[in-house]
Amino acid sequence: DTGVSQNPRHKITKRGQNVTFRCDPISEHNRLYWYRQTLGQGPEFLTYFQNEAQLEKSRLLSDRFSAERPKGSFSTLEIQRTEQGDSAMYLCASSPLGQGTEAFFGQGTRLTVV
Amino acid sequence: SQQGEEDPQALSIQEGENATMNCSYKTSINNLQWYRQNSGRGLVHLILIRSNEREKHSGRLRVTLDTSKKSSSLLITASRAADTASYFCATDEDDTGRRALTFGSGTRLQVQP
Repeated sequence: DTGVSQNPRHKITKRGQNVTFRCDPISEHNRLYWYRQTLGQGPEFLTYFQNEAQLEKSRLLSDRFSAERPKGSFSTLEIQRTEQGDSAMYLCASSPLGQGTEAFFGQGTRLTVV
Repeated sequence: SQQGEEDPQALSIQEGENATMNCSYKTSINNLQWYRQNSGRGLVHLILIRSNEREKHSGRLRVTLDTSKKSSSLLITASRAADTASYFCATDEDDTGRRALTFGSGTRLQVQP
């Protein structure tokens, strides 16, 4: 499978715990994005990497959220001290460099904070 | 915050009918894309239209873009039950420096067999 892969697919955690999600993009794609999606809404941008550099972060990304992309390959998104409001689908996407290119999405990680 | 609004929020039609979804956005764009999402899954790219294009076709899909009105429409002709999904427009913004796509809130399409 050469698509975008996200793990785990589902995560249930207790409030206050830390969670980490992983995204493996399409191997030749330089760009990687994280989005968050709540029920009935469109994806909301969280952060963007070009290779290993994190070039943009949304105001939605509070200091409890951190993302990395070491060596410009896979990426991790960590949420510390989870809150019930963090419950959502976390989507990763990748795309090649260049203007006007489509984004390829993974299946997402559904987080439930209880 | 989200860039645009899709209209309608929900649409229910019979198989064989056409489905039209509209999207409005706020900023200047390089291109506009439409994506489809089946329940609980990731998004799949359908079609991209550049800011200097007015209409584009792909199979049963027809997309229009009116940059003066900052709006786009997606037409699915001869709909099938398998077209049941949520459809989102996404913009590649030109003047905000944003490098990621900005999505609308989506139209939930139900095609009755």
